[in-house]
Amino acid sequence: KQEVTQIPAALSVPEGENLVLNCSFTDSAIYNLQWFRQDPGKGLTSLLLIQSSQREQTSGRLNASLDKSSGRSTLYIAASQPGDSATYLCAGGRTGTYKYIFGTGTRLKVLA
Amino acid sequence: NAGVMQNPRHLVRRRGQEARLRCSPMKGHSHVYWYRQLPEEGLKFMVYLQKENIIDESGMPKERFSAEFPKEGPSILRIQQVVRGDSAAYFCASSPIGQRAGELFFGEGSRLTVL
Repeated sequence: KQEVTQIPAALSVPEGENLVLNCSFTDSAIYNLQWFRQDPGKGLTSLLLIQSSQREQTSGRLNASLDKSSGRSTLYIAASQPGDSATYLCAGGRTGTYKYIFGTGTRLKVLA
Repeated sequence: NAGVMQNPRHLVRRRGQEARLRCSPMKGHSHVYWYRQLPEEGLKFMVYLQKENIIDESGMPKERFSAEFPKEGPSILRIQQVVRGDSAAYFCASSPIGQRAGELFFGEGSRLTVL
């Protein structure tokens, strides 16, 4: 059974710090890996999608990498800002299915 | 450029009533997914649909829950005879076909409260 673990569960950092969020899978047969942010009471906003043939994606201050052999993905946030405060979720889907499995998220708080 | 539209955003039902949640995918998207988020828990897959077809319903409870995505109109998640344990946020997502197939775009969710 596919399980997704996100570490840490919660993180509080001062503004300006660079930080890394981790996501690991029990099943390394990942087709797509997607990172989202969720603000309280809101839906999920897609941040980055890493497809099967890719190893990383970048968007602005965000960089996500995927190592399928070890079943791990990391989300790097550079120069964090208070507006980055949210819950970050990773989700992976195996080859041949669009049934994504979600981690329980990392709650990030960036202090001004 | 409308994203995934869900309604109602909030729904209150008494035990035993029916709840109907609607989802219109993004323009050009033909795949729809429903997920449930219980308080303090992660998102759990419920069902994956294409127009007029249920592709994977392995996450749907066996009873009281059903989903459809008709040829015309939104996808509907229907919960009959609701119980308090059905209280949750229900999220719909859609994805395109082609090169970005499988990339999920979520709606704002429908929050069901069962009294």
